[in-house]
Amino acid sequence: DQQVKQNSPSLSVQEGRISILNCDYTNSMFDYFLWYKKYPAEGPTFLISISSIKDKNEDGRFTVFLNKSAKHLSLHIVPSQPGDSAVYFCAASEETSGSRLTFGEGTQLTVNP
Amino acid sequence: DTAVSQTPKYLVTQMGNDKSIKCEQNLGHDTMYWYKQDSKKFLKIMFSYNNKELIINETVPNRFSPKSPDKAHLNLHINSLELGDSAVYFCASSQGEDSYNSPLHFGNGTRLTVT
Repeated sequence: DQQVKQNSPSLSVQEGRISILNCDYTNSMFDYFLWYKKYPAEGPTFLISISSIKDKNEDGRFTVFLNKSAKHLSLHIVPSQPGDSAVYFCAASEETSGSRLTFGEGTQLTVNP
Repeated sequence: DTAVSQTPKYLVTQMGNDKSIKCEQNLGHDTMYWYKQDSKKFLKIMFSYNNKELIINETVPNRFSPKSPDKAHLNLHINSLELGDSAVYFCASSQGEDSYNSPLHFGNGTRLTVT
């Protein structure tokens, strides 16, 4: 019973275009959502987060959108750069569960020069 | 300087053996974790310690035992290894227990292969 799903295992975009990574969840108790980025042979690194009281959070080229009614969030990267090529993990947590994060299975993003 | 370091990077061993993975963080964080990434690529929490005290213990077999000698170290001992234990194990740390305000800092992982 996977509560966080990333249905696209991979995504390929051209440099300079927009990358959109999607994530769906089933647990309506989730309060916080985070995106982590992972390069090969390295651990995931925190990218951006959003609270359930917001519908958008922006940090430079990265924007996360949250649609609570659809239980869906997305990460937009614009413009995409070759260095953005990595696996992106969506994660969620409940406020009452503190540090317990539930991760999706990741989406491999490839940005072609 | 590596913030969260875990050793070894690769571990190949036979079924039935006992092995340990070590983790150290130099970030001064209070909370440390062990996550397992299985063959389906999901990252799942196994354990969490806050100031050497166990705060999260997911449904992990008793063969897995974390040990935190101090708040900068969280080691993972695995007894009687089984084929299904093959996975990548990630250590992580955070300043607090709030995953939103205290994002996790991960180590580079230990790939365990049980033959």
